Amino acid sequence: TQLLEQSPQFLSIQEGENLTVYCNSSSVFSSLQWYRQEPGEGPVLLVTVVTGGEVKKLKRLTFQFGDARKDSSLHITAAQPGDTGLYLCAGSLSGGYQKVTFGTGTKLQVIP
Amino acid sequence: EAGVTQFPSHSVIEKGQTVTLRCDPISGHDNLYWYRRVMGKEIKFLLHFVKESKQDESGMPNNRFLAERTGGTYSTLKVQPAELEDSGVYFCASSTRITTNEKLFFGSGTQLSVL
Repeated sequence: TQLLEQSPQFLSIQEGENLTVYCNSSSVFSSLQWYRQEPGEGPVLLVTVVTGGEVKKLKRLTFQFGDARKDSSLHITAAQPGDTGLYLCAGSLSGGYQKVTFGTGTKLQVIP
Repeated sequence: EAGVTQFPSHSVIEKGQTVTLRCDPISGHDNLYWYRRVMGKEIKFLLHFVKESKQDESGMPNNRFLAERTGGTYSTLKVQPAELEDSGVYFCASSTRITTNEKLFFGSGTQLSVL
């Protein structure tokens, strides 16, 4: 079973700071997704990256897929309290369906 | 449009009892998935339905778990008999097409506690 390691596991920062979350694996994924999950809710998809080296932006969030499609990063600029939550990366293997492998998760707290 | 609905939201049962979890996917979504997160671990795939057929059940832990999808609509996941290690959050997700980039919509999950 492929394992997606996320770092850091926990992150507590002040409002306005920047942060980066990393998602690493020894396996190659056909695509990689980032989700955010809030307490009592299911994961909500933020973005899917499919091409090695791809960069996608979603307002203050920047997602990058590694050139070798084994790793990804999520950068948040000027974090807001509303960014607080559990961030999960999830990789899809080739074969074209959504049996995703989830990462270990990064719990982010943004303090006002 | 209603999202993926799971019932119950919480279930507390004793070891050896039976529990049935239900998932109603988004209307029109042929693909339905069950995932599970046990305490301290990552979310893991259990199985995948395409309409009423099981496409992939490689993640099912053992034969105490039985998933069905009657008529290709809602799905149930039965655990019988439940064991302590079955405790966790069970998520259901659905999507329209089987492509790598298809968006998965998750339900809020069922928190199962086996005492």
